[in-house]
Parts: sequence; structure tokens; C-alpha cells
Amino acid sequence: DTAVSQTPKYLVTQMGNDKSIKCEQNLGHDTMYWYKQDSKKFLKIMFSYNNKELIINETVPNRFSPKSPDKAHLNLHINSLELGDSAVYFCASSQESDDYNEQFFGPGTRLTVL
Amino acid sequence: ILNVEQSPQSLHVQEGDSTNFTCSFPSSNFYALHWYRWETAKSPEALFVMTLNGDEKKKGRISATLNTKEGYSYLYIKGSQPEDSATYLCALARGADGLTFGKGTHLIIQP
Repeated sequence: DTAVSQTPKYLVTQMGNDKSIKCEQNLGHDTMYWYKQDSKKFLKIMFSYNNKELIINETVPNRFSPKSPDKAHLNLHINSLELGDSAVYFCASSQESDDYNEQFFGPGTRLTVL
Repeated sequence: ILNVEQSPQSLHVQEGDSTNFTCSFPSSNFYALHWYRWETAKSPEALFVMTLNGDEKKKGRISATLNTKEGYSYLYIKGSQPEDSATYLCALARGADGLTFGKGTHLIIQP
């Protein structure tokens, strides 16, 4: 069983389109996250959700919106895609939202915007 | 801007040798330091979460130490094996800001 899964693994789309990436965790964790791996290979936090509440929102364009239908899912919606959105996006989860719990990462979704 | 620095950026080590690398971070408002191991084409996997100054943690041949007063952590690998080849990431946790990752140390073990 995959602990944190993401779909799709690869996503190629045109500029201006709207797309979603799905994330599911079967660990019973309370908190889920979205990270972006930028062109310099840095992993940067975008959002985290704890019990359906957004508790972190970095300086991310409002074209990006996380949606959590339940505790096990945190989907990432991106509107009006731009070339600069091309990156690998990782979902992660942890038992609680504090700093002392390790995070479990999904396999990543490589988004390419043409 | 919070800077988490890792050095060296990459490292080639002969199989069987021991090695170590560094994570440096601002020492103020410290909450916790995470170490992750990231193999190519896989997801980052947690190695350690360290919270107390002077902490030492060990998992098999891998261990880590933490100095929160001077703002650094060392990761040690004893008797390197080819399967240790990966990128090792450290990340600083500071409450509501979430995890801030360093760029990683890319370790290659040469048979």
C-alpha cells in the first residue's frame, strides 16, 4: 500500500489552462502539505492543511488553491497556468501540524506547461 | 529570508569509507531540525527529527548531531555502501512557517 499517493505522475498542458493534482494519504495523518521543487531543486512549502483548515500559505499566487474534501485528501488546483509553474509538486503528510513530526512524501507530479 | 545551508553540495566517497556533511541554520527561534534522504526517482524519506541541543540520533550506520546554539547539524555515515547514494536534505522547522529545506548534499558512493 502506498502511504501518500499523487495523481497524475506527469502532467503536460498548455499555458492558460486550469488543472488539478490529487493527493491521498492512508496513514490517518492530520496534516497534509504541498511543496514545489523549483528549477534550482529547492523544495519550498506552498500550503499545509490541518483538519480542513489552511494553516500555512506562503507567498504563492492565488491561482493556486488547495482543496481538502476530507482529512485523507488534499488536492491542488491551478488556474490560468503559466510557463513558470512548470515544476515538480510534492504532497506530504504528518501526524500533527507541529514541527516534531516527520513528514511522509508522495512520489511527486511533474507539471510541464507549454 | 531564512537560509538553511548545506555543505558540501556534492560528495564522492569510496565504498567502505565513512563520511559526514553539514547543515547550517540560524540559531534563533529554533524549533526542530529534520533530516531526509532522497533517492533518485523516489520521494524524500525522513531520517531524523532533532529538537534538543546536543541531541544525537542513530539509525543503523547513519547518525546525526545537533548544536542549536551555534546553528549546525552533522550527518554521519559509517562504512558507506552503494545504497547510501542519495541526496540528503536538512530542513528547519520554525512553527507556523513550516519546513525550510536546504539544497541538499548529493552523495555518490563509488564501488
